[in-house]
Formats: sequence, C-alpha cells, structure tokens
Amino acid sequence: NAGVTQTPKFQVLKTGQSMTLQCAQDMNHNSMYWYRQDPGMGLRLIYYSASEGTTDKGEVPNGYNVSRLNKREFSLRLESAAPSQTSVYFCASSELPGPNYGYTFGSGTRLTVV
Amino acid sequence: AQKITQTQPGMFVQEKEAVTLDCTYDTSDPSYGLFWYKQPSSGEMIFLIYQGSYDQQNATEGRYSLNFQKARKSANLVISASQLGDSAMYFCAMRVYTGNQFYFGTGTSLTVIP
Repeated sequence: NAGVTQTPKFQVLKTGQSMTLQCAQDMNHNSMYWYRQDPGMGLRLIYYSASEGTTDKGEVPNGYNVSRLNKREFSLRLESAAPSQTSVYFCASSELPGPNYGYTFGSGTRLTVV
Repeated sequence: AQKITQTQPGMFVQEKEAVTLDCTYDTSDPSYGLFWYKQPSSGEMIFLIYQGSYDQQNATEGRYSLNFQKARKSANLVISASQLGDSAMYFCAMRVYTGNQFYFGTGTSLTVIP
C-alpha cells in the first residue's frame, strides 16, 4: 500500500544507547516531518525537511538529529537516549507546504527508554 | 504565533447521537487550513476533514462536518449518528501559508456509549 512506512514499530532502549528511526514514503512528497506524541501534549514537531537536501529544527529538537537521505527517506537519530525521550514518534509527509496540503502519517514508533 | 486549543480532554456520547468537539485557533496569517485527525486505540492518525480559511461553506465528509466560525476563530468537529467505532482521540490541527508545519491541539478523547 502506498503511504508512509516507519520502522521499527516498538523499541526499548537503555539510557545512553543510540538508535535511528527510519521513515520512507512512496508518494513523491516533497516535505517530511518527525513528531513526538506525549500524553496531554498533542503532537510536537521535532524536525522537518521542506524538500530534499534541507532540514530544519522544530519545537523540540534537542537530543535528536535527522537526515534526509533522498526524496523518499527521512531518518531520526537519538545519539544518547534519555528517559525523557520515551514517547510515540510519528513520521509524516506532505506533497507541498501550504495551508491546503494535509499530512500522511506513518503508523508510529513506540519508544521506551529505561 | 500559531496556536490550537482543544478544551475538552474527554467527552462521552450515546450511540446514534451527535457530538461536537471544540477547537479554537489563533493565527495572524489570513491564509490557513484547519484539519481534524482521528487516532483510534491502534495508534494511527486518520485524516477526517479539512476547511480552508477562504472557504465560504462548512466542510462535510459523510458523518463529519466542520462548524467553521471565522470571526470566533473556531473550527468545531460535529460527528452525527455516533458509532462505537468513533471512540478515539481526536486532534484539531492548523497549517498556515507562511509556515511549513502543522500545529496540533492536545486532543479530545471521545467515548461512545452503547
């Protein structure tokens, strides 16, 4: 099925470990995003890539890095995981920026840092 | 600055009745889009409905309608004839012309009672 594919779906890390969350879309979308979802706080933007070759910080970028590998793929890296990074992570893509373009979301990654 | 406010953390509705989920927004950008997403317990984000700031009529999609009151900066979601499968978290979101990202509210948890 066409859409946004995130891997893995679940992950448990120990404090200080690193990992990369993978995201790929096959809709030829230009913009890609990483959000985290925490109870009572909605979805908060970590990083985004408006187009291939560009990345920008969002609202909560500390502790994360991203790579827009090509037009399809946008990865999120935790270099040294902390318990505060326990969350559900969503990747999303959008054909273009602009107020009338919606997001297509991946299915999410549930990350626990112990 | 852009902001979305959802003031109802939890709502209950009887099956087959209508329910309104509140959303207010704040932006100085005259061009913006308002979106509603549904997140069932399985975790995925499902697009429901979109309203553009210049749209003259309220958006409708099947049992979903968006009560758009521009002067009051509100974009309430109305679900008619509630079904048990409507039990989920609902997020209101906004995207503006001058920005790239979505801004999300904190969500409303809807429970449909048989």
